[in-house]
Amino acid sequence: DGGITQSPKYLFRKEGQNVTLSCEQNLNHDAMYWYRQDPGQGLRLIYYSQIVNDFQKGDIAEGYSVSREKKESFPLTVTSAQKNPTAFYLCASTAAAMTGELFFGEGSRLTVL
Amino acid sequence: SQQGEEDPQALSIQEGENATMNCSYKTSINNLQWYRQNSGRGLVHLILIRSNEREKHSGRLRVTLDTSKKSSSLLITASRAADTASYFCATERGDYKLSFGAGTTVTVRA
Repeated sequence: DGGITQSPKYLFRKEGQNVTLSCEQNLNHDAMYWYRQDPGQGLRLIYYSQIVNDFQKGDIAEGYSVSREKKESFPLTVTSAQKNPTAFYLCASTAAAMTGELFFGEGSRLTVL
Repeated sequence: SQQGEEDPQALSIQEGENATMNCSYKTSINNLQWYRQNSGRGLVHLILIRSNEREKHSGRLRVTLDTSKKSSSLLITASRAADTASYFCATERGDYKLSFGAGTTVTVRA
């Protein structure tokens, strides 16, 4: 079945540690996105990539980094510079940047201890 | 930055009743989309309406778009317990980024 796989589903991190969230898609989609969701605030865009080896900052990129070395993969690293990293992280993809619906993964919940 | 704002924030209805929620946005859009999210899960696309469309239907869903008022509404008819979820509107402004509102939480009581 085609879809987007995020892992891990739950992740605990100590302050000062970097963590990497995985996002893989087998939909052959060009564009991929990372969103952060906090209670009552909806989704906020962290980074997006329209094509392999290219990505752009979203609205809240500080403290995060990404790479897009393969079409299928768009990992997100939450660095120690992110002041409030506890959140629900959602990865999404679309066939062509912003011409239609986004397909979402099931999310990764990161908790900083 | 959030472009869309949903109203109400929360809605509780009896099974079989209709649920209506609204979305207002600030700047011109190319299209507007509605998504559903069950608790702790990813979002699922429901319907997309383009800026030159006024109304669209999909099963028990009816979406309207009024570009002069910069607003959209989502109507769920004959609600079921399985419709309990959060509903988000998302707007695409032509810059390849979807902006999501804070959502409307719908609870359908049996």
